[in-house]
Amino acid sequence: NAGVMQNPRHLVRRRGQEARLRCSPMKGHSHVYWYRQLPEEGLKFMVYLQKENIIDESGMPKERFSAEFPKEGPSILRIQQVVRGDSAAYFCASSSGRQTYEQYFGPGTRLTVT
Amino acid sequence: AQSVAQPEDQVNVAEGNPLTVKCTYSVSGNPYLFWYVQYPNRGLQFLLKYITGDNLVKGSYGFEAEFNKSQTSFHLKKPSALVSDSALYFCAVRDIETAGNKLTFGGGTRVLVKP
Repeated sequence: NAGVMQNPRHLVRRRGQEARLRCSPMKGHSHVYWYRQLPEEGLKFMVYLQKENIIDESGMPKERFSAEFPKEGPSILRIQQVVRGDSAAYFCASSSGRQTYEQYFGPGTRLTVT
Repeated sequence: AQSVAQPEDQVNVAEGNPLTVKCTYSVSGNPYLFWYVQYPNRGLQFLLKYITGDNLVKGSYGFEAEFNKSQTSFHLKKPSALVSDSALYFCAVRDIETAGNKLTFGGGTRVLVKP
């Protein structure tokens, strides 16, 4: 049973370009979460999605960031017009939805903005 | 609002000695508590959780944690540390009554186990 998959693992973008990060949840999981980790810091919640629905986006920056989890295919975190401050590790997690269940994390995408 | 504090940035311990990583939390309702471990350039691996019931929770790789409601703590412990336990450890809390499914993480504690 494959775990949470993220791609790419590393992404380099120049300032002003767009970054697209993909996440495929574990088989059987319909809930996806995105977290951001700055160097030497803990993870910060960004957004929680179910299929075709954004449930909680209270951690998303108001501009340039968007997320989706379509009926078919992976969840996408999109960052438009990237700036150096967007450089971080972005982790996706999935769960089966029961609130007592733990979230399983992917290996992360390390975004570097030059 | 929910929050987690890990008061120690780093914990050093000799191999074979007991290991403790501290965590305190703040929630409005009842907490669900989790410990994760992160190895360099890797994602987080789930270690254990407290949902309800017995205050002493046993998890993966010989780790355990004790939930203390009066002290709002959930310290991670291992009786005999291994060099391979050297990693970054995160405590996380979920307050389902106010925060839904999202996890709030502490800042992490780096554990260094010396041979």
